[in-house]
Amino acid sequence: IAGITQAPTSQILAAGRRMTLRCTQDMRHNAMYWYRQDLGLGLRLIHYSNTAGTTGKGEVPDGYSVSRANTDDFPLTLASAVPSQTSVYFCASSSTPVPGELFFGEGSRLTVL
Amino acid sequence: GESVGLHLPTLSVQEGDNSIINCAYSNSASDYFIWYKQESGKGPQFIIDIRSNMDKRQGQRVTVLLNKTVKHLSLQIAATQPGDSAVYFCAEAGGGADGLTFGKGTHLIIQP
Repeated sequence: IAGITQAPTSQILAAGRRMTLRCTQDMRHNAMYWYRQDLGLGLRLIHYSNTAGTTGKGEVPDGYSVSRANTDDFPLTLASAVPSQTSVYFCASSSTPVPGELFFGEGSRLTVL
Repeated sequence: GESVGLHLPTLSVQEGDNSIINCAYSNSASDYFIWYKQESGKGPQFIIDIRSNMDKRQGQRVTVLLNKTVKHLSLQIAATQPGDSAVYFCAEAGGGADGLTFGKGTHLIIQP
């Protein structure tokens, strides 16, 4: 049972570089989300998609972009990484837009130097 | 802006005792609440949820209580076990926001 798969698991990146974090789900969930987790700040929503073809901004969208070309994939792109984007990134999905249970991936740890 | 918060960042309990983790929320329009457990190096895992038309919901060894009057949510874990050691997050939804808004988490430590 795969659920949500994130890649890479961990990455060190030079500032200014472009980076795409991948997220794939096999549950045919309509809604998908990207959160970042920082110590002392909990999980904060970056972007979300309630259904394929639509996206929306969360609490901390600046410096990030997403696309939702199909139901299964929801990549997160950092166009020009900065050190403040060092974080653990979690992708999540739900069968319908919240309210409802979110299923999380195992996270992608990104370090921007 | 409005946010979900927790009263205590760390809670230490004896194995076999009951644990109570508290959460305060400020968005009166929130109508859905959920608790997650996160073990080190892993993604959050669903524990239990509750909607605003209820004040109590029970699962296996866990109970969530919702007091809308004082905007307070709690998670009770019965007979805590070593495997319960983790960070616990409350989250809320509703009031026009998309996604879940998470609190900062409580680290539950189980003493042998």
